[in-house]
Formats: sequence, structure tokens, C-alpha cells
Amino acid sequence: GAGVSQSPSNKVTEKGKDVELRCDPISGHTALYWYRQSLGQGLEFLIYFQGNSAPDKSGLPSDRFSAERTGGSVSTLTIQRTQQEDSAVYLCASNDPVSPLHFGNGTRLTVT
Amino acid sequence: AQSVTQPDIHITVSEGASLELRCNYSYGATPYLFWYVQSPGQGLQLLLKYFSGDTLVQGIKGFEAEFKRSQSSFNLRKPSVHWSDAAEYFCAVGSNSGNTPLVFGKGTRLSVIA
Repeated sequence: GAGVSQSPSNKVTEKGKDVELRCDPISGHTALYWYRQSLGQGLEFLIYFQGNSAPDKSGLPSDRFSAERTGGSVSTLTIQRTQQEDSAVYLCASNDPVSPLHFGNGTRLTVT
Repeated sequence: AQSVTQPDIHITVSEGASLELRCNYSYGATPYLFWYVQSPGQGLQLLLKYFSGDTLVQGIKGFEAEFKRSQSSFNLRKPSVHWSDAAEYFCAVGSNSGNTPLVFGKGTRLSVIA
């Protein structure tokens, strides 16, 4: 694959349900990021994986949010007990250290 | 902590006019600076980046940006705007160690009128 791939592209879920969002980074990229984009709020950093280091979880808004990265490649962002304020576009990006980020097209999450 | 301020939420310019989008950053060390563009319904695309060296950097689509350390600014410019430039523009700052995530501004929405 040439770019960062995210799935699903759209997800509608009921309040209180759990969701999983997937990111497949560019092959060989050691760093992987999750951001959230809400209307008028720009890009909000959520979590950052760099190689085998412990992830930087400082941006996760609550303990309902978690992410893992298996085998240094694919990452899954999980939101438990979704709330309406979780509705946003969730963006994944990857890069090599000190190189620009390559973004996926995002997952648009709507919580009803 | 790193932060980025884009003072203009929305700018409207006429096609053919010049453009300057403002970006100010706060960072304790030598920053890496980026401008990204997001067209409607599209993903984020890198326009240009500054790592070191010449403080005036050229990017794609005729854009350029100038790093001014004394002003903590990295403003984006284009001499003549095209209708296709209508989009959301994001400035971002990162560390030169690559060990911290990029911090983005809230974005500036550019509208282009005939």
C-alpha cells in the first residue's frame, strides 16, 4: 500500500456502544499517531507510538479511550461506552523520525 | 509545552490576490515547522516544511513560508491565489528529535471569491 489506510471510513454507532477504529500505517514507518478532528477545533493529539517505546498517551481525553499497536504495525483505537461528544473524524498518521507525517483519510465517527 | 496559534479562523481573498496565513508557535528548542492543507472531503496534505537552513522554504502549489525565530512565526504566503486553493490550512510544530508528536493549530479556513 502506498499510503496510510484507515477503516472504516464511516462509522455510526449508538451511544454507549464500543467502537474500534483501525489504522494500517505506511510500511516501515516507526511512528504512528492518532489525532481527532472536530469542527472548529483543529487536530487534537490523542496518542503516539514510536518504535518499541512506551506510547505517549497524554492526549487521550478519558479512560474510555485506548489504543494498541501490534507488531509495530497496525494500530487499533478503541472507544468504550461512546458518548455523543466523541463524534469526530479520527485521523491516523505515520512517519519515520523527523520526517513529515503522512495522514490517512480518517474515520468519521457519529454517535447517535 | 509546545503550542501553535493561527490567529485567523477564516480568511476570504479574491482570486489572483496575494495571501498570507499567520502562524505563531511556542517551543523551547529548535522547532520543526510544517504547513498542511485539507481540501473539502480530502485528507491532510503536506505543503511545506522547515527543518533547518534557509528560512524561506518553498512548497507545493506555489506556496512558500518564512521562519522568523525572533517573532516565533512561520507565515504561509502565496503571491496569487487560485480558486482551487480554497481549503483549511494547518500549521504544526514538532521537535527536532522526532520523539514528540506534532502539535497543530486550529486551522485557518480560506475562501476564494471571483
